[in-house]
Amino acid sequence: KQEVTQIPAALSVPEGENLVLNCSFTDSAIYNLQWFRQDPGKGLTSLLLIQSSQREQTSGRLNASLDKSSGRSTLYIAASQPGDSATYLCAIGSWGKLQFGAGTQVVVTP
Amino acid sequence: GAVVSQHPSRVICKSGTSVKIECRSLDFQATTMFWYRQFPKQSLMLMATSNEGSKATYEQGVEKDKFLINHASLTLSTLTVTSAHPEDSSFYICSARPPGTGLEKLFFGSGTQLSVL
Repeated sequence: KQEVTQIPAALSVPEGENLVLNCSFTDSAIYNLQWFRQDPGKGLTSLLLIQSSQREQTSGRLNASLDKSSGRSTLYIAASQPGDSATYLCAIGSWGKLQFGAGTQVVVTP
Repeated sequence: GAVVSQHPSRVICKSGTSVKIECRSLDFQATTMFWYRQFPKQSLMLMATSNEGSKATYEQGVEKDKFLINHASLTLSTLTVTSAHPEDSSFYICSARPPGTGLEKLFFGSGTQLSVL
């Protein structure tokens, strides 16, 4: 059974510092991996999706890497801003079914 | 972009009552919707897959008689928590995928925080 783990559970950084969020999974036979952002009282927002054949995806200040052999993905957020404060979730799945990690709660202080 | 609306956002009820949560795709038709549940400090867990015009598919360990799912139209799926108990208190969230988009392009509702007293 696939298990998805996110470390750390919480992270606080000063504005401007780069963020590094980790996600590990136990079964390397994945279809894809996604990173989401979850804000309190709001739904999930998809940030990046990496297909199993890809190594990384980039969007603006966000970069996500995928290493299936080691069962790891890393989300980098460059030059963090207070607006980046949220919970970040990684999820593995296919055909719409997603298996989520517990998330990393990020606080960026001004 | 595609919008998924979920209501109510928060509900408090007494033990033994039933609670209905609605999930609507506002600008697209969704033949399939997904219901997730999240307990505090835990992962979002898939509960069931809701299929328009047919029975929902429940994940292992989810009581189908307790969590009733109805997907009567292409834009609406409902989750009814029957005879709710305090252990059902959780964050429930739905998702849907617009047709013609990538298989993994899911849009999520804003979630419902259920508190059972």
